[in-house]
Amino acid sequence: SQKIEQNSEALNIQEGKTATLTCNYTNYSPAYLQWYRQDPGRGPVFLLLIRENEKEKRKERLKVTFDTTLKQSLFHITASQPADSATYLCALEGSGGYQKVTFGTGTKLQVIP
Amino acid sequence: NAGVMQNPRHLVRRRGQEARLRCSPMKGHSHVYWYRQLPEEGLKFMVYLQKENIIDESGMPKERFSAEFPKEGPSILRIQQVVRGDSAAYFCASSLRGDEQYFGPGTRLTVT
Repeated sequence: SQKIEQNSEALNIQEGKTATLTCNYTNYSPAYLQWYRQDPGRGPVFLLLIRENEKEKRKERLKVTFDTTLKQSLFHITASQPADSATYLCALEGSGGYQKVTFGTGTKLQVIP
Repeated sequence: NAGVMQNPRHLVRRRGQEARLRCSPMKGHSHVYWYRQLPEEGLKFMVYLQKENIIDESGMPKERFSAEFPKEGPSILRIQQVVRGDSAAYFCASSLRGDEQYFGPGTRLTVT
């Protein structure tokens, strides 16, 4: 069956360090993968989209990699700040026509000052 | 450009009543999605609509739940004869091309 796995345990990191979050998937052939941020009590906010033919994408302090062989995406936040504390969700859509986007359960990141 | 709007933000219903949740997508967006989220849990896909069409309702219970996205006006998620288990946050998202999704603030439904 199809699965998206994100670390269910919270990730605690010191301010200024690089946070790395992992998204693994099985039985998907995603056309692209997305990362979202969700704060408590709010809707998710779109951050980045990376396509299956792209290895890496950057946006300011964010970097996403996408390895379709390993079936894994890594999400990096460099020079992390307490304001980066939130839950980060990865989302996949299959290729070959419409396939609904499925979200992982998210990883909670806590940046400690 | 206003973001996705949802109302009401909080809705309290007694068991057996109907709940109507509204979603106005971002201007120019024709793709609308509804998700449900329980505390400390992930987003569960419910339904995907384009103007006047339901594209995928595989995540929506067959009974009591319905959704529409009319030519004019907001998308509506309707839950008839609510039960306590329907209590959750319901999020709507819209998309221009069917990829990046922009979420509303959610409607928190409480069934008493």
